[in-house]
Amino acid sequence: AAGVIQSPRHLIKEKRETATLKCYPIPRHDTVYWYQQGPGQDPQFLISFYEKMQSDKGSIPDRFSAQQFSDYHSELNMSSLELGDSALYFCASSLSRYSNQPQHFGDGTRLSIL
Amino acid sequence: AQSVAQPEDQVNVAEGNPLTVKCTYSVSGNPYLFWYVQYPNRGLQFLLKYITGDNLVKGSYGFEAEFNKSQTSFHLKKPSALVSDSALYFCAVREGLAGANNLFFGTGTRLTVIP
Repeated sequence: AAGVIQSPRHLIKEKRETATLKCYPIPRHDTVYWYQQGPGQDPQFLISFYEKMQSDKGSIPDRFSAQQFSDYHSELNMSSLELGDSALYFCASSLSRYSNQPQHFGDGTRLSIL
Repeated sequence: AQSVAQPEDQVNVAEGNPLTVKCTYSVSGNPYLFWYVQYPNRGLQFLLKYITGDNLVKGSYGFEAEFNKSQTSFHLKKPSALVSDSALYFCAVREGLAGANNLFFGTGTRLTVIP
């Protein structure tokens, strides 16, 4: 079965640089979520989109922005990167914001800031 | 506000023995509860969910969980542990459909099954 695809899998950046992470949801899923998982920590919700509109907002820094496109893929844009941004970034998708169906996660993008 | 507590950072169990990974939650309204498993350098894999109905929920790979409303718990169980079950397990909660749809995760429990 098709899963959530994230790219790239690994990304190395320096402080103050920018990064763009991409997420391709499972086909027919219209809701996308972004989570950040620091080393040894639980995933923290950043932001979600439903039908290309921002749905809910969590602990996403102002330096980050995200959007969902007409084909439902989503991109997380990160600017002025800081050492503390080093983490695993997960994208998840679900059938609908208003569904009780579970979120399905991609394998994540490991972002390392030097 | 929603929250999830996993009181044990680490659970060790011998292969073939039953296992339990504990989870308690706090949420306003009806809870939607989930268990996910994470293997090294991988995303979270969905195991099972409780939305409504029977308190005992069966999921993937022989796992099950029991919802207890009075104790606000949703413990993960398996009758006979396998070495391949060794991984990091996360309990998660969200509000019902009227609330925010993002998941709140516990801090995770690392399960080690000893051969």
